[in-house]
Amino acid sequence: GENVEQHPSTLSVQEGDSAVIKCTYSDSASNYFPWYKQELGKGPQLIIDIRSNVGEKKDQRIAVTLNKTAKHFSLHITETQPEDSAVYFCAAHRGQAGTALIFGKGTTLSVSS
Amino acid sequence: DTGVSQNPRHKITKRGQNVTFRCDPISEHNRLYWYRQTLGQGPEFLTYFQNEAQLEKSRLLSDRFSAERPKGSFSTLEIQRTEQGDSAMYLCASSLSWGNEKLFFGSGTQLSVL
Repeated sequence: GENVEQHPSTLSVQEGDSAVIKCTYSDSASNYFPWYKQELGKGPQLIIDIRSNVGEKKDQRIAVTLNKTAKHFSLHITETQPEDSAVYFCAAHRGQAGTALIFGKGTTLSVSS
Repeated sequence: DTGVSQNPRHKITKRGQNVTFRCDPISEHNRLYWYRQTLGQGPEFLTYFQNEAQLEKSRLLSDRFSAERPKGSFSTLEIQRTEQGDSAMYLCASSLSWGNEKLFFGSGTQLSVL
């Protein structure tokens, strides 16, 4: 089955700096890669996603890149703000009926002002 | 659209007791998922439904766990004879039909087994 590795497990940056979180996946059939943000006491919230037919996607300060050959994808947050502090999860999905979204173990991002 | 709703938010129980959680998905979503999350870990898949049909179960879902979605709307997750290792956050998510994997999560039910 699919296995998703995520690193680093913790990341501390100064406000205004950029943050990068990286993930690798094992199943070459996976074709959907979302990123979720989880704040304390809440469920994960989808912030951006990318499909395997696209190499990069941007949404304001957030971008995701995908390298299918190397089976890794990354989340980039620019101009970080204190409210970006949260746990971020990557995930992978085969896009087929009967399969589930598999998550990485998460990265705790701390943005200090 | 009020999002995915889970009840209760917190449950404290004694080892050996049975517990039941409820999830109300976003109304037009016909796929419903249950995940479990422990401290410092990502959500781990337990099971999912397409309408009322349970299509996949993880090997994490022992015989003590059972999930239902009788009318294809809300779902319940029951844990029988709870053990301390069952202590976790139980998350429910919903999505539109196959081909749209965007999952929307509820805030979860935090279970503590004493």
